[in-house]
Amino acid sequence: NAGVMQNPRHLVRRRGQEARLRCSPMKGHSHVYWYRQLPEEGLKFMVYLQKENIIDESGMPKERFSAEFPKEGPSILRIQQVVRGDSAAYFCASSPPSTEQYFGPGTRLTVT
Amino acid sequence: AQSVSQHNHHVILSEAASLELGCNYSYGGTVNLFWYVQYPGQHLQLLLKYFSGDPLVKGIKGFEAEFIKSKFSFNLRKPSVQWSDTAEYFCAVMGRTYKYIFGTGTRLKVLA
Repeated sequence: NAGVMQNPRHLVRRRGQEARLRCSPMKGHSHVYWYRQLPEEGLKFMVYLQKENIIDESGMPKERFSAEFPKEGPSILRIQQVVRGDSAAYFCASSPPSTEQYFGPGTRLTVT
Repeated sequence: AQSVSQHNHHVILSEAASLELGCNYSYGGTVNLFWYVQYPGQHLQLLLKYFSGDPLVKGIKGFEAEFIKSKFSFNLRKPSVQWSDTAEYFCAVMGRTYKYIFGTGTRLKVLA
């Protein structure tokens, strides 16, 4: 059973460009979570999705950030018009309902 | 507000020394607690979890943690650390809507 897959592992964008981060959950997992890890800080919750539904987006910045988990395909975290402050590691996790989460390897976004 | 505090940000130990990493939480509901480890360059892996029952939880690689409800604590312990335990350790509480609230992490360095 493959683990949580994230791609790309490293992403470099210039200021103003768009960043798309992909996450494929573990087989059988219907819940996806996105977290952001800034340098010298712990992981901060961003958004929790189930298929075709956003359940909790209380950690998402109000502008430029969006997430989806379509019926088919991976979950996507989209950051429009990136700024230097968006540079971070973005982790995706998946789980069945109400149990522990399994984390992917992360995408390290660098904005130049 | 829900929060998790890890008081030790950096810990340096010699091999065979005993380890205790502190974790305190603030959460008003039913508590589900976790410790994750992140080895250099790798993704987060679950060390152990507490959902209910015996407050002394045993995890992988010889780690254990004790849930003390009266102290709002879930400290991680290992009797004798190895060089390979060098990593960053994160405590987390599962909040409402199943999202995790993480502590800021503790970087452990074990000297050979």
